[in-house]
Amino acid sequence: GQQVMQIPQYQHVQEGEDFTTYCNSSTTLSNIQWYKQRPGGHPVFLIQLVKSGEVKKQKRLTFQFGEAKKNSSLHITATQTTDVGTYFCAGPAGANNLFFGTGTRLTVIP
Amino acid sequence: ETGVTQTPRHLVMGMTNKKSLKCEQHLGHNAMYWYKQSAKKPLELMFVYSLEERVENNSVPSRFSPECPNSSHLFLHLHTLQPEDSALYLCASSQAWTGRTDTQYFGPGTRLTVL
Repeated sequence: GQQVMQIPQYQHVQEGEDFTTYCNSSTTLSNIQWYKQRPGGHPVFLIQLVKSGEVKKQKRLTFQFGEAKKNSSLHITATQTTDVGTYFCAGPAGANNLFFGTGTRLTVIP
Repeated sequence: ETGVTQTPRHLVMGMTNKKSLKCEQHLGHNAMYWYKQSAKKPLELMFVYSLEERVENNSVPSRFSPECPNSSHLFLHLHTLQPEDSALYLCASSQAWTGRTDTQYFGPGTRLTVL
């Protein structure tokens, strides 16, 4: 069955350091979405990537979709305490469904 | 954000109780979802109502029963749950298109504790 793995599972960084989470799918994806869930909160959509090799930026966040459309990454430059939370990637699973990755929980130490 | 609301926000129930979780979306979407999120597991899709079709995860026990009376409302009926069912239950909605996967909007969740 379809699997979407994320690494690392947990990451602790000093405030100001960079952070990267990687998402790897066992199958080719037509698109990939990223969500952020703050502690005690619910997942909130960040971005969707569709094209092979696509790179999108949102302020300090950079999202990449691999050339083979089987992997993706999220990079945060100069982390802030507001970046804490769990970051999930998600790929299509059947009609109108998403299969969520295992998530990377980010802790930022002030 | 009030696009997707869930009630109650917290629920404590015994194993012999019957309760229902409610979700309502105000976004004009035509697909709604139930997810289970426990401490050590990623988001597990339980049920989907999309384009008036119900899709379910075959691993979900029958003690969970969904109901979708219309495109704006979704219920999850709970009956004789087990302590391992304690988790955060998230509702989500999206605009379903044939052959396309759209963004999902999540509600705040119901934190369920089964004693």
